[in-house]
Amino acid sequence: KAGVTQTPRYLIKTRGQQVTLSCSPISGHRSVSWYQQTPGQGLQFLFEYFSETQRNKGNFPGRFSGRQFSNSRSEMNVSTLELGDSALYLCASSLDWTNRETQYFGPGTRLLVL
Amino acid sequence: EDQVTQSPEALRLQEGESSSLNCSYTVSGLRGLFWYRQDPGKGPEFLFTLYSAGEEKEKERLKATLTKKESFLHITAPKPEDSATYLCAVQGGGATNKLIFGTGTLLAVQP
Repeated sequence: KAGVTQTPRYLIKTRGQQVTLSCSPISGHRSVSWYQQTPGQGLQFLFEYFSETQRNKGNFPGRFSGRQFSNSRSEMNVSTLELGDSALYLCASSLDWTNRETQYFGPGTRLLVL
Repeated sequence: EDQVTQSPEALRLQEGESSSLNCSYTVSGLRGLFWYRQDPGKGPEFLFTLYSAGEEKEKERLKATLTKKESFLHITAPKPEDSATYLCAVQGGGATNKLIFGTGTLLAVQP
């Protein structure tokens, strides 16, 4: 069974640009969560989607947005990039949004903003 | 506000030297406490979920315990392959199901 896949794995952007990251969940998983991981703050929850609807949202500015498609694949977008957006962005999928024991993480997309 | 604090930030052990990692939490109505292992360049890997004080779970050399204020991850006779960052997360009893993570403990086991 294939795991969670994230593309691209590495990305370099400059300030002011925008970026779109993609996450393909494990087959059959309908919930996708996004996290930002930095050395100082650790893993911080961005948002979660289930059945194409945003179920939860973390405390991030509106520059961070996401969506989920009918096949459960999800994308997140960051507009007007800032230096502080440099981080590892992790996606996790689970069967549904209430069961965290079935949550599996992807390898992440490492974003560097110059 | 829900909060998770892990200690120590880093720990270096000799192979076979047992120790414990701590996860202190403040949460309104704990639904679950989760332990993950994260290797460099990879996403976190699920280890355990604990739901109520007094609960314990084991997996190979790892044993997780839970009290009303903290959780411990005990590592017995560790091996170099146990080297990783160990993350703790809590799921509170609010309207959302989101996980609040600690910043992790970086464990290095030397042969």
